This record gives sequence, structure tokens and C-alpha cells, in this order.
Amino acid sequence: GESVGLHLPTLSVQEGDNSIINCAYSNSASDYFIWYKQESGKGPQFIIDIRSNMDKRQGQRVTVLLNKTVKHLSLQIAATQPGDSAVYFCAETQTAGNKLTFGGGTRVLVKP
Amino acid sequence: EPEVTQTPSHQVTQMGQEVILRCVPISNHLYFYWYRQILGQKVEFLVSFYNNEISEKSEIFDDQFSVERPDGSNFTLKIRSTKLEDSAMYFCASSPTRSNEQFFGPGTRLTVL
Repeated sequence: GESVGLHLPTLSVQEGDNSIINCAYSNSASDYFIWYKQESGKGPQFIIDIRSNMDKRQGQRVTVLLNKTVKHLSLQIAATQPGDSAVYFCAETQTAGNKLTFGGGTRVLVKP
Repeated sequence: EPEVTQTPSHQVTQMGQEVILRCVPISNHLYFYWYRQILGQKVEFLVSFYNNEISEKSEIFDDQFSVERPDGSNFTLKIRSTKLEDSAMYFCASSPTRSNEQFFGPGTRLTVL
């Protein structure tokens, strides 16, 4: 079936550096793409979303890029901090508020 | 800051037994969801609930599963006859509007023996 997947299972990054987390999707009917962060022992936490008619959206220290041509989504974290250590999931949905289809997750480890 | 809460944090049950997982969504939220995550796997959607009825459900959400909002504050997931493969972390989520920002609880770890 259609799914959302991730390229890298673990990303180690030096504190202060920028992080880039990648995600590939296959459902061309998806209209929204979302990034969630999951810290140990907690549920997923919304970071940012982007609609399919956009190619870039910025938040606080985060930028999401969408390339529909190659069905690729990325999350850039600027000046990575220890508190950014977590598992990051991309997700997609066809309609805002509908079910989220999650990818497999990338673990980000921030080295001091 | 308001949070979604879930009880219990860990539930151990015997195969074939019924379990009820409880969630208290954020008080002014109108959309409610259950997801699960089998260890080492993706987070999977189970069901969404709005206006006292199921909006959407996945293939996983078969006749063994049911949801209820019994009193306007709790949102429960019942599994009638648990199977070994139901062992997972179950997350409740809520949202005030039709939004991609769903607020997740900390999860209930269900272990079926």
C-alpha cells in the first residue's frame, strides 16, 4: 500500500550545527505533510506542517521543504540543541484533521 | 499548559481478556484519535472520533475494538478479546479543530501475555 518512509534511521549531529532529516513519500494524493517529534517516554509532538501547494515553510528554528517532483520531504533544524534529541517522524494526510500516516522515524542524537 | 492524559501507563493482561484504555483529552478539543505503535514499528492510526461518532477507522480497528466518550471528558478504547499481537503502545490524541496538529498523550503500554 501507499506509505511514508525515511532514509536514515539515526542522525548524529554536533550541538550548534544544523540537522537535516529526510523523508520519502509515495502517496501522490497526500495534501499535507507533517513533522512530529517524539521524546523518550512521551507521545509525538507536532512540529510543523506544509501543504502540497507549497515548497517551503519556516517555523521557529525549523524549515520544512517539499519536493513533489521526487516525492521528498525534509526537516531542517537550525543550531541543533540537546533538547532536539528525539525521534522525528514524518506523516502525511489527504485532508487536514484526518488520519495521519506516519513514517518509520529517524533518531537524532545531539552531541555536546 | 493543558495536556492529554492517559491511564494506566502500563497494562498487562492475559490473552482473551478485555481491556479498556482511558484518555482524558484537552478540555475544549472536539476531535479525538487513537493510534498505536508496536515496538520498533511505525505509529499506526486506529480511529478518529468527532461529534460522538467514529469519523474514520483503519483496517486494524476491527470488531474487537470500540471507542466511547461516556461522560464528555473521557475517551476510551476497548479491546474485547486481546491477542498477543495487540501488544503495543497506544496513544490517544485530540485536536480543537480539523487540524494536522494533534496533541498526543504519553501513551499506555499494553502487554498481552
